[in-house]
Amino acid sequence: AQKVTQAQTEISVVEKEDVTLDCVYETRDTTYYLFWYKQPPSGELVFLIRRNSFDEQNEISGRYSWNFQKSTSSFNFTITASQVVDSAVYFCALSEDFTGGGNKLTFGTGTQLKVEL
Amino acid sequence: GAVVSQHPSWVICKSGTSVKIECRSLDFQATTMFWYRQFPKQSLMLMATSNEGSKATYEQGVEKDKFLINHASLTLSTLTVTSAHPEDSSFYICSALEAVYGYTFGSGTRLTVV
Repeated sequence: AQKVTQAQTEISVVEKEDVTLDCVYETRDTTYYLFWYKQPPSGELVFLIRRNSFDEQNEISGRYSWNFQKSTSSFNFTITASQVVDSAVYFCALSEDFTGGGNKLTFGTGTQLKVEL
Repeated sequence: GAVVSQHPSWVICKSGTSVKIECRSLDFQATTMFWYRQFPKQSLMLMATSNEGSKATYEQGVEKDKFLINHASLTLSTLTVTSAHPEDSSFYICSALEAVYGYTFGSGTRLTVV
């Protein structure tokens, strides 16, 4: 069974602070994919990143960076110099190998990030 | 890129009526489509998984006779909430899966039953 844990329910920071959102996962599969999504108040899910289990390289995209560590089953997300527009709920998610079709995405409970002026 | 269109974006219906929500992949053929439900301040909970031309697989606790899913083609899946009641009020999101693009989500439907 797959499981994704986001222990931080809500985080509040002041603009320009760095913030890290934690994600810990459980799976028995050797091939799996990890995702991060942003959900602003409008409700739509905004895709941020997809990472497969064989690629442990950290990734940076602008102010966003991700740290994938298989040894601790974690896939943490850091926002550098946070902005008010970053305020949203962020979901970490896990799937088995979907390239053959059919496998569902398991979501964590989400972290509400509030960035204040 | 992959685009999934979901409509309506929001709907208000009277208790006892049925509501249909459409999920359409616009520029790719989806091997599988998924329907999620999200209550306020909660995570997305998978309701069912559907493949074109076959019956949907429902998650435990989801009433298949109440939430009818039809996946008639590789680009269209529909969710019908039958005999809706206020407790069915929620945010419903579909997702289409394709081997290269992965999971693409619709923009969601906010259902309010009065």
